[in-house]
Amino acid sequence: SQTIHQWPATLVQPVGSPLSLECTVEGTSNPNLYWYRQAAGRGLQLLFYSVGIGQISSEVPQNLSASRPQDRQFILSSKKLLLSDSGFYLCALDRLNEKLFFGSGTQLSVL
Amino acid sequence: GESVGLHLPTLSVQEGDNSIINCAYSNSASDYFIWYKQESGKGPQFIIDIRSNMDKRQGQRVTVLLNKTVKHLSLQIAATQPGDSAVYFCAETTGGGYQKVTFGTGTKLQVIP
Repeated sequence: SQTIHQWPATLVQPVGSPLSLECTVEGTSNPNLYWYRQAAGRGLQLLFYSVGIGQISSEVPQNLSASRPQDRQFILSSKKLLLSDSGFYLCALDRLNEKLFFGSGTQLSVL
Repeated sequence: GESVGLHLPTLSVQEGDNSIINCAYSNSASDYFIWYKQESGKGPQFIIDIRSNMDKRQGQRVTVLLNKTVKHLSLQIAATQPGDSAVYFCAETTGGGYQKVTFGTGTKLQVIP
């Protein structure tokens, strides 16, 4: 069965510091991959999606970027974090005609 | 833009009672609807889904009802248990080359023992 690995589970970073969150998947090939952000007590906002290696689409303008160096690896990055980047970051995948499957998330606090 | 929203932000239910969580959507082109359950500090988990050509779908202790006329979706949980306490999200999608899923803001279900 498919599995999504996200790490770290929690992260505290100072304003202006860089960020790298990694998501790797197992048990599937050629998935669509997604990064979502969830503010406290709110719904999920789609940040990026990728349909293949090197293919990244951004849904909202922001301080973040994403990369997909391998089929089963999706990375979320920032060169300089802002306070507003705090939130719960979720990696997700799907395949054609299948529903979104989420990872366990990373809680990011920017101080 | 199109949106998916929930009527009630918090719902308190006595253990053993049935729970009903409601959701309104505005995109008439949506053809696939999903309910997710999210426990504190965890990622959303799929509960049940329904396609727009259906009015009702049943799972284990859960039922989803879709009323396309009024663009309304509901999740019914039978014999609510303490383990059902979580935030529930409805979501809708129109499909495409990737699943662009729009999530509502969520309803928190509190089960009273």
